[in-house]
Amino acid sequence: RKEVEQDPGPFNVPEGATVAFNCTYSNSASQSFFWYRQDCRKEPKLLMSVYSSGNEDGRFTAQLNRASQYISLLIRDSKLSDSATYLCVVNSLRFGNEKLTFGTGTRLTIIP
Amino acid sequence: DGGITQSPKYLFRKEGQNVTLSCEQNLNHDAMYWYRQDPGQGLRLIYYSQIVNDFQKGDIAEGYSVSREKKESFPLTVTSAQKNPTAFYLCASSPITGGANVLTFGAGSRLTVL
Repeated sequence: RKEVEQDPGPFNVPEGATVAFNCTYSNSASQSFFWYRQDCRKEPKLLMSVYSSGNEDGRFTAQLNRASQYISLLIRDSKLSDSATYLCVVNSLRFGNEKLTFGTGTRLTIIP
Repeated sequence: DGGITQSPKYLFRKEGQNVTLSCEQNLNHDAMYWYRQDPGQGLRLIYYSQIVNDFQKGDIAEGYSVSREKKESFPLTVTSAQKNPTAFYLCASSPITGGANVLTFGAGSRLTVL
């Protein structure tokens, strides 16, 4: 089982719709969780950290479910500019060292 | 503006040649990282450094070398020993904190070996 798994998509969603995707992780000792956004042929950029209580930033909501070991990202009222690949990132402590593990990403295309 | 600068953006080399990718940051971050990204795969860690004159191997260090002579600079050399060097290389940095490890990335260097 991969340490971090994402559905690669692509998710093709009409503009204005709500879309959600999940990311599962295998290490129950994982401590920190993030969503990064990566545009085509560009570098990843932090979208939001994921807190235990869940957090919201405008149209974006991130949730953490420790019992089932997944995080989710919800995008409301999707815009054309939301088209990108969304990377799930998990920070785990192994042998005293922190390790970041990246998912392969979920590709999202917003259709006019 | 603070940030990370990678150069060159595109690089073409013949098989068997060593190449060095530059990474400079002015964010005053202690930690720096090199990742490799291939289609259909997550970012994989090559090397990282938490302090000047010290660095550790990541998950796929074979065929690569790094140096950290200055806090701002963390160049990566792709040697001829790297079997499949064609990839998108990303440099990143983060402040050393006790908590979450948020990375800031450079724009990347796309290496193609002919």
